Amino acid sequence: DVKVTQSSRYLVKRTGEKVFLECVQDMDHENMFWYRQDPGLGLRLIYFSYDVKMKEKGDIPEGYSVSREKKERFSLILESASTNQTSMYLCASSLRRREKETQYFGPGTRLLVL
Amino acid sequence: DQQVKQNSPSLSVQEGRISILNCDYTNSMFDYFLWYKKYPAEGPTFLISISSIKDKNEDGRFTVFLNKSAKHLSLHIVPSQPGDSAVYFCAARSLTSGTYKYIFGTGTRLKVLA
Repeated sequence: DVKVTQSSRYLVKRTGEKVFLECVQDMDHENMFWYRQDPGLGLRLIYFSYDVKMKEKGDIPEGYSVSREKKERFSLILESASTNQTSMYLCASSLRRREKETQYFGPGTRLLVL
Repeated sequence: DQQVKQNSPSLSVQEGRISILNCDYTNSMFDYFLWYKKYPAEGPTFLISISSIKDKNEDGRFTVFLNKSAKHLSLHIVPSQPGDSAVYFCAARSLTSGTYKYIFGTGTRLKVLA
């Protein structure tokens, strides 16, 4: 059974703070993703990684960076948090294969930036 | 530019009846489509998928139909149960720079009335 865990369920930060969101998966998946979910906008891809130390920008990378030093861990970093980054952040992982590729999601981190 | 659209933000259905959730897409290069279910305060969970070379896939009470000429995807749930009440996201996969990316719709909130 795939498990994707996120370091915090709820987080409150102040504008300008540096924020780290951690994600760990235990199924040796190559691919890992960070999304944010906002009402009326669905899930939007921030960054993804298909291998250790590899990263690719998603659709909305501005204001974010990522780190993947180990295969099982993918971190999302908000260098200087802003109020418009208040959102639900979802991490996902998947195997790299053409057919029946499925993303497995963590429970999400609800971030409030004051 | 929303490449994957779910035009109905919400849907209410009586228990035991059919629920039909719709999804439209614009990119003919999408090769794989998925449906996810999301309960409040949880991450999305995979429900069912379909390859672009097929037009139907069935799994228990859930059936996904793909109409490539119309660029339209639908999820049928028969019979609907109160536990099916959740937000449903459709997602489409595309190959970008040698890696797969997923584009999600905005979601449809299904309420199954007992």
